[in-house]
Amino acid sequence: DQQVKQNSPSLSVQEGRISILNCDYTNSMFDYFLWYKKYPAEGPTFLISISSIKDKNEDGRFTVFLNKSAKHLSLHIVPSQPGDSAVYFCAASFGNEKLTFGTGTRLTIIP
Amino acid sequence: DAGITQSPRHKVTETGTPVTLRCHQTENHRYMYWYRQDPGHGLRLIHYSYGVKDTDKGEVSDGYSVSRSKTEDFLLTLESATSSQTSVYFCAIRDRAAEAFFGQGTRLTVV
Repeated sequence: DQQVKQNSPSLSVQEGRISILNCDYTNSMFDYFLWYKKYPAEGPTFLISISSIKDKNEDGRFTVFLNKSAKHLSLHIVPSQPGDSAVYFCAASFGNEKLTFGTGTRLTIIP
Repeated sequence: DAGITQSPRHKVTETGTPVTLRCHQTENHRYMYWYRQDPGHGLRLIHYSYGVKDTDKGEVSDGYSVSRSKTEDFLLTLESATSSQTSVYFCAIRDRAAEAFFGQGTRLTVV
């Protein structure tokens, strides 16, 4: 039972344009959501997070939106840069314990 | 960078042999996790720990055991390695409801 889903395995975006990565979840108890970026042969690195009491969080070029009624979150990257090419994972947790990850979306930025 | 080290970084082992992977942290974080990453499956939780001697199962725990006798060390043991356990294994640490930090990963091949 996949509680966190990323339905797009891959996404290609022109450099300078907006990249939008999507994530859906099924467990309404989740109260904290995170996005991670992963390069090959490296561990995932934290990008940005959002608590369930908010609907938006922004950090530089990265913005995460949370729609609790739809159980959906998205990551916007503006403007997209070649170094953004990586696999992106969304993750969710409730309480302080387990982090459940999605299957990932491979983002390719086209110069 | 968070103080988290995985060892070994690469290992090849034979089917049926026991294997232990080590995760060591210097951050004194309470929570520690073991994930495996496989194509099409993203990051799946194997086991996690919420304190010394306190562990719980994740979604893919069969064939794996863990131990945490000290805050800083979290060991993952494959009791009798199988080819289906060929994967990249990541350890993560976390302090309360915040981001988790990942190690560099261990690439395990079971032949």
